[in-house]
Amino acid sequence: GAGVSQSPRYKVAKRGQDVALRCDPISGHVSLFWYQQALGQGPEFLTYFQNEAQLDKSGLPSDRFFAERPEGSVSTLKIQRTQQEDSAVYLCASSPEVRGGYNEQFFGPGTRLTVL
Amino acid sequence: GQNIDQPTEMTATEGAIVQINCTYQTSGFNGLFWYQQHAGEAPTFLSYNVLDGLEEKGRFSSFLSRSKGYSYLLLKELQMKDSASYLCAVLDSNYQLIWGAGTKLIIKP
Repeated sequence: GAGVSQSPRYKVAKRGQDVALRCDPISGHVSLFWYQQALGQGPEFLTYFQNEAQLDKSGLPSDRFFAERPEGSVSTLKIQRTQQEDSAVYLCASSPEVRGGYNEQFFGPGTRLTVL
Repeated sequence: GQNIDQPTEMTATEGAIVQINCTYQTSGFNGLFWYQQHAGEAPTFLSYNVLDGLEEKGRFSSFLSRSKGYSYLLLKELQMKDSASYLCAVLDSNYQLIWGAGTKLIIKP
């Protein structure tokens, strides 16, 4: 079956531009996570959705970052007024279970964002 | 603060065995994951440990000691396709995954 997909795979933005990154999780997966991965580093948690509810956004680095999952499936991560330090790979992961305990996450291929 | 430490890079020979260590200090512990990530690709799940001891799955095994805040991933009969980064991640008390920076494993023929 289809895995997690993300689009675009690559995005180049000028500083100050707004961007929107899309994640299509595995159908029926309850949980959806966004991570930011800088080059040579592990992923860092940004936010968590259980269905359409954003239950944890403690990892969002600033109020320029906004995520939504209005119908409990597709999610969009929006970054306003992009800065150079936003350059990273943005990973989306989904899971069939709610967060808690053993919870294998299935990752998408990521969107590589480069801010010039 | 929360901290996950693992070596930056390791080199091993095809057919050999390699052990990748991970030490952690986190606020709470609800399990430890190992993921494999090939360059430019998504991380893929390898193992999960929540109790002390060794979990074996084919050529890969993972060990956990909660009292020592320590885990390792053991890869046997190394193949060239095992060249990748191996990420250790701990599920903390808030059920957030805290990730290490990853160990880049280079396999030489």
